[in-house]
Amino acid sequence: QSALTQPASVSGSPGQSITISCTGTSNDVGRYKYVSWYQQPSGKAPKVLIYEGSKRPSGVSDRFSGSRSGNTASLTISGLQAEDEAHYYCCSYAGSNTLVFGTGTTVTVL
Amino acid sequence: EVQLVQSGAEVKKPGESLKISCKGSGYSFTNYWIGWVRQMPGKGLEWMGFIFPGDSDTSYSPSFQGQVTFSADKSTNTAFLQWNSLTASDTAMYYCARRSHSFYPGYSREENHFDFWGQGTLVTVSS
Repeated sequence: QSALTQPASVSGSPGQSITISCTGTSNDVGRYKYVSWYQQPSGKAPKVLIYEGSKRPSGVSDRFSGSRSGNTASLTISGLQAEDEAHYYCCSYAGSNTLVFGTGTTVTVL
Repeated sequence: EVQLVQSGAEVKKPGESLKISCKGSGYSFTNYWIGWVRQMPGKGLEWMGFIFPGDSDTSYSPSFQGQVTFSADKSTNTAFLQWNSLTASDTAMYYCARRSHSFYPGYSREENHFDFWGQGTLVTVSS
């Protein structure tokens, strides 16, 4: 059960859109629709942004969107804001009541 | 209001035992899986496993199986994470989180994401 692969860092200017990829295998991301994304500001607990690949919990900005194709899931942040600077993690169901997290991506707003 | 409140920071020596807690409130504690997540210093999130407080059913990540023990006390709505013999590599922040669950007329199903998180417990193991 290896960690899902994410880019270590992504950056963008305010107002731009950025996309974070999350690559797994046919045993996790490629098999199950249950991919979630979490935002973790430095020193704080994570918070769910996206679940089931593309669903947003109530209260989460619609600037955050998710998608999945094959073994890769993606999180897009549109209209980038300074407050979006944080670490982002994907997470996939991997069968047999198990989960696997991604390696994490640091988002920097230039 | 759903809340998960974790016990305070711990400083331990190698070889010592430890049990940290996660107390749930504002929801039916026995009907939701609780997950445990490790975050080593400067590193990413790692799923350790789940416990279902209703019947203490557990699921462990292969990486943590045999290294830690999950338990729960229904009478106090508290989940626990325990080590019998700590090592320096156990130094990390540990989060508990509630696994989301959906309820429909006539049935329900657990989801595969965490909707509420505790504030974290920092465990430091040093001689």
